[in-house]
Amino acid sequence: SQQGEEDPQALSIQEGENATMNCSYKTSINNLQWYRQNSGRGLVHLILIRSNEREKHSGRLRVTLDTSKKSSSLLITASRAADTASYFCATDNTGNQFYFGTGTSLTVIP
Amino acid sequence: DTGVSQDPRHKITKRGQNVTFRCDPISEHNRLYWYRQTLGQGPEFLTYFQNEAQLEKSRLLSDRFSAERPKGSFSTLEIQRTEQGDSAMYLCASRSTGEGGYTFGSGTRLTVV
Repeated sequence: SQQGEEDPQALSIQEGENATMNCSYKTSINNLQWYRQNSGRGLVHLILIRSNEREKHSGRLRVTLDTSKKSSSLLITASRAADTASYFCATDNTGNQFYFGTGTSLTVIP
Repeated sequence: DTGVSQDPRHKITKRGQNVTFRCDPISEHNRLYWYRQTLGQGPEFLTYFQNEAQLEKSRLLSDRFSAERPKGSFSTLEIQRTEQGDSAMYLCASRSTGEGGYTFGSGTRLTVV
């Protein structure tokens, strides 16, 4: 079964705008990760945030984590058409395998 | 090493046939994972190996599914007596022990007709 759930399921924005997507999960975690998937391809690891961290940045990406609410958000600033993809959160609660959410489909309109 | 390789990229098979997929992970990674992804869903965990040992299998992995990693390098996933419900993208990923993200392959898309 899938651990996380992303919200919204789909998001459409204009190029240059910011995109925010959220992830809620069910159990305590060691860390949470975000991945991007272009249509029909494998997933690409974007960023990892540990359970004792609250915010992390990587380039145009900002991730927050609120363990009390069991939720995380991914912010992509100054979006580009190339950011069009599905975005998944994945939780690690055992140190073994990760459990993925259902994904947010992002469309950036040029 | 250019990443995780999966072969074939696409497979169309008739119901009832057996299929086998191959995954070549990043050579330094001792952990290898198989996931299945259906349209509009996130990847679902199937099984993982640490070196050659298969350490965990999901309940999704029915008796018709078997995975091996004989020498702790490449892995194969076999599905026997395929069913239409097996149609999905089969993703392989690898990583090192400890903290860190997966490196995924491009997947094998299976269509059972």
